[in-house]
This record gives sequence, structure tokens and C-alpha cells, in this order.
Amino acid sequence: AQRVTQPEKLLSVFKGAPVELKCNYSYSGSPELFWYVQYSRQRLQLLLRHISRESIKGFTADLNKGETSFHLKKPFAQEEDSAMYYCALKAAGNKLTFGGGTRVLVKP
Amino acid sequence: DTGVSQNPRHKITKRGQNVTFRCDPISEHNRLYWYRQTLGQGPEFLTYFQNEAQLEKSRLLSDRFSAERPKGSFSTLEIQRTEQGDSAMYLCASSLAGTGGRETQYFGPGTRLLVL
Repeated sequence: AQRVTQPEKLLSVFKGAPVELKCNYSYSGSPELFWYVQYSRQRLQLLLRHISRESIKGFTADLNKGETSFHLKKPFAQEEDSAMYYCALKAAGNKLTFGGGTRVLVKP
Repeated sequence: DTGVSQNPRHKITKRGQNVTFRCDPISEHNRLYWYRQTLGQGPEFLTYFQNEAQLEKSRLLSDRFSAERPKGSFSTLEIQRTEQGDSAMYLCASSLAGTGGRETQYFGPGTRLLVL
């Protein structure tokens, strides 16, 4: 069975500071990993996926199969980055398995 | 708005009553998913359809829960004999199969259920 763990419930950083959201997964096969974001009063939306290897809104995430991690990073946090972030895994089949989420608060 | 829509947005019911939620996916999407999210947790998968076929159901989906997608378009999720533990946000998502590694699940705003 697959599992996704986000150890931090809350991350509070100052504007301009780096931010890193941790995500660890357990799955015996080759997973697809995603980060979803939910801004205040908005629906859940895809931020990025590991196979794209792209930067979205300044965020990047690298899949580390050795450490089974998919941490999300941004070098300079902005106030508009304040949101709830969920790491998700898609294993065999099409369902997503989500972590518990990390709330990011960027202070001015 | 061409995104996923869900109705109602909020539902308050008494324990033991039946409730039904509706999800309208993005029009060309052939896959439709239901998730449940309780306070402080991430969404948990319940079931999904490809066209009108229900292809997978979670163990979370007890006998009191039933989902349908009769014409391969909108879907309904019914909960019979509701219990207080059913109180949660019920999320619907849709995607287009066949886009390979680019398949993306788009989420609706959710239906918040409160069972008194």
C-alpha cells in the first residue's frame, strides 16, 4: 500500500526567505508525484508534477527515489504563497494518495 | 465557468437521513473521482469512474455509500443512513485519460456535509 507523509503541519517564514516543504512516500514501484496547492477560498489545484521537471511560480521539486522524497522548494517566499500544500502520489491505477498537508504562512 | 462543479456546496442533515451529492465534470473528461476530506487531513480516495464504469472503490466506501455515473457525464454520490462520522468535505475531480504523463485531476469546490 502507498503512503505519503508531510511531517510539518505548519511552516511560517518571512517574505524573501527560502521555504522547503517536506514530503516522503512509501511505495514499492515507480510512482508519479505531485504537489497540489489550495489558496484561501479556492479549490485544490495542481502546482507541479515530478515528470515535468519544471518550475511553477518559483517552486521546484525533485524526486529522490533513494530517500523516497519529493520536497518542494522556493528560494524566496512571497506573501501570495501562503496556502495549504498537499503532496500526492499516483501509483498503479489512477487514484491519488495525499499527504496530510502543510500550511505555509508567509509573513511580511 | 468550465471547471468541475458540485452541488450542493453545503448540506446539513440529521443522523439517519439519506443525502445525495452531484458532480458535473469538465465536459470532455472521461474520468471522474470522488474523495473525502476530514478536518486537518488530506483528501482520501473513495471511488472513480471511467465513462460510466466504476473501476475502483476504496475500503472507505461502506455499503451505505453508492456512486453512479449513468451516462458517463455527471455523477452522484449517495450516503444512506448518515452517521456523524460521515461529516466531511466531499470532493469530486475529473481528468482526461490518454494524455499520458500529463493527465491532471481537476478538483471541484467540494460539498461540505455536516451530520447532526
